[in-house]
Amino acid sequence: DIQMTQSPSSLSASLGDRVTITCRASQGIRNDVAWFQQKPGKAPKSLIYGASSLQTGVPPKFSGSGSGTDFTLTINSLQPEDSATYYCHQYNSFPLTFGQGTRLEIQ
Amino acid sequence: EVQLVESGGGLVQPGGSLRLSCEASGFTFSDHYIDWVRQAPGKGLEWVGRSENKANSYTTTYAASVKGRFTISRDESKNSLYLQMNSLKTEDTAVYYCARDNGFGFWGQGTLVTVSS
Repeated sequence: DIQMTQSPSSLSASLGDRVTITCRASQGIRNDVAWFQQKPGKAPKSLIYGASSLQTGVPPKFSGSGSGTDFTLTINSLQPEDSATYYCHQYNSFPLTFGQGTRLEIQ
Repeated sequence: EVQLVESGGGLVQPGGSLRLSCEASGFTFSDHYIDWVRQAPGKGLEWVGRSENKANSYTTTYAASVKGRFTISRDESKNSLYLQMNSLKTEDTAVYYCARDNGFGFWGQGTLVTVSS
């Protein structure tokens, strides 16, 4: 199974800050990575697919990069509504797997 | 507008069965992969299984934790995907989501399954 090691598990940032969340795959997975945002009691929302492609309707303050084993999600100009848990996900091979999540708190 | 709507969740005793439904609209149902993903209370996301599209004969693949107990099927006439869950365990307690295609661009709202005596 491909393990997705996500870091940090939680972080606190201020309004207007930029943050970066990283995900490392246990083996090469090309660019078969997606990123999701999840708020309490809600379904995950897709932000990024193909490691760097923005889903329709997602603001460009979100961006993704990486290929192979190392991937990042960057969020610019943090606003209160960005407070959520973020997950990376690999769809390169079965079983599909997710990172353990990063809880982002906006101060 | 693409929509996925899950239903069928509820309380069931260990060893029992339950069938979840995922009704799709706003797209050609047979053209797309659809997966089940679950989330235990307070935990992360766990992939459960996939139904590929009609071009791939609706081939199904399962996570090891549910293989042999869960079965995914489709009814084209109802634009619906199903998850038949048998021999349920307490650790199957979770919100179950259906999600479309590689990268899960679209998700349903989820349905809660509670396995408890």
